Amino acid sequence: DTGVSQDPRHKITKRGQNVTFRCDPISEHNRLYWYRQTLGQGPEFLTYFQNEAQLEKSRLLSDRFSAERPKGSFSTLEIQRTEQGDSAMYLCASSTMTGNTEAFFGQGTRLTVV
Amino acid sequence: KQEVTQIPAALSVPEGENLVLNCSFTDSAIYNLQWFRQDPGKGLTSLLLIQSSQREQTSGRLNASLDKSSGRSTLYIAASQPGDSATYLCAVVIKAAGNKLTFGGGTRVLVKP
Repeated sequence: DTGVSQDPRHKITKRGQNVTFRCDPISEHNRLYWYRQTLGQGPEFLTYFQNEAQLEKSRLLSDRFSAERPKGSFSTLEIQRTEQGDSAMYLCASSTMTGNTEAFFGQGTRLTVV
Repeated sequence: KQEVTQIPAALSVPEGENLVLNCSFTDSAIYNLQWFRQDPGKGLTSLLLIQSSQREQTSGRLNASLDKSSGRSTLYIAASQPGDSATYLCAVVIKAAGNKLTFGGGTRVLVKP
């Protein structure tokens, strides 16, 4: 296992279009997190899953955002009707639920809305 | 609400000097604290994880301390090298908060050869 994988690495889209990002966590990790990071800021929590259940969503996650984790494996984050303010780095992380809960991050997806 | 602060926002040192990076948090009821490194345009690389019951963790030239009562953590990088140039982020996990991380704004470090 090579760690957390995110796809695509970069996405440029026109305002109003829908985009979808994918995250493949470390295989034995049952928790998966999505964060958003804007330039010069620390990442901000968006949502997290424990296995296939979405347990918490931040107020940052507007109705245009939806995340899924079917079968508790990979996860997708979809943004509908993108706006310029959605431009950011979207980071995925995974961890175990008990014991050493160290979080491991993927390389992120850089979204630019033009 | 937990707030995490990292001061300074940027730091420049000559090669060989020791680096001292500060992190403060407002709620001492943390589960653990994690330090990360981020290179420009890249994801986060975990450096050290300190559990709430621990006072420090060491890995190679890196040493991180934790003082929960005062809400502080310090990351020491000994004998800095130009390859240490990056942004360093600290993040805390609050107990009973799903292990989600609350991040500071980061300290951008430049080590000059």
